[in-house]
Amino acid sequence: IAGITQAPTSQILAAGRRMTLRCTQDMRHNAMYWYRQDLGLGLRLIHYSNTAGTTGKGEVPDGYSVSRANTDDFPLTLASAVPSQTSVYFCASSDGTGANSPLHFGNGTRLTVT
Amino acid sequence: GQNIDQPTEMTATEGAIVQINCTYQTSGFNGLFWYQQHAGEAPTFLSYNVLDGLEEKGRFSSFLSRSKGYSYLLLKELQMKDSASYLCAGMDSNYQLIWGAGTKLIIKP
Repeated sequence: IAGITQAPTSQILAAGRRMTLRCTQDMRHNAMYWYRQDLGLGLRLIHYSNTAGTTGKGEVPDGYSVSRANTDDFPLTLASAVPSQTSVYFCASSDGTGANSPLHFGNGTRLTVT
Repeated sequence: GQNIDQPTEMTATEGAIVQINCTYQTSGFNGLFWYQQHAGEAPTFLSYNVLDGLEEKGRFSSFLSRSKGYSYLLLKELQMKDSASYLCAGMDSNYQLIWGAGTKLIIKP
């Protein structure tokens, strides 16, 4: 079934540890995104990539990094986790970057930093 | 600044109609999206409006007024499975999405 796969589903991480959240899509979408979702707040964009080989910073990029070596994969790395990074992380993709390009979301990674 | 406002929570009865409102302020405007998100799941796309008026898709309709910076999602013949959060998102002139915090819709029998 075509779609976006995120791993792990959930993780408890000690503060200061490094963690990579994986995201893979098989829809050949050019654009990919990482969002975090926190209670009472709208989805906030962390990083995005409009096409393989390029990345950009979103609204809340500090403490996170991404890479886009190919079309399918868009991993998100927390270099040294802090408790404020406890959140649900969603990876998404879209066929284009213009208007009327709906996002397709993965099922999310629930991360707890202790 | 850019902002999306929508009610935090609404309650409706099975079989009834409910309207979820959204007001937006964006730097430029390239459309308004609605997504549905069931608890513990991913958001899924419902509708996109860029021109004024009503777009109907089965039981769900979405309305846009650009002059008022206003949209609503109308759900008819409510079913228990419609219990979910509904996310409103405006797209600005840079094609970036600005998200509301979502409206949790509770359906009662």
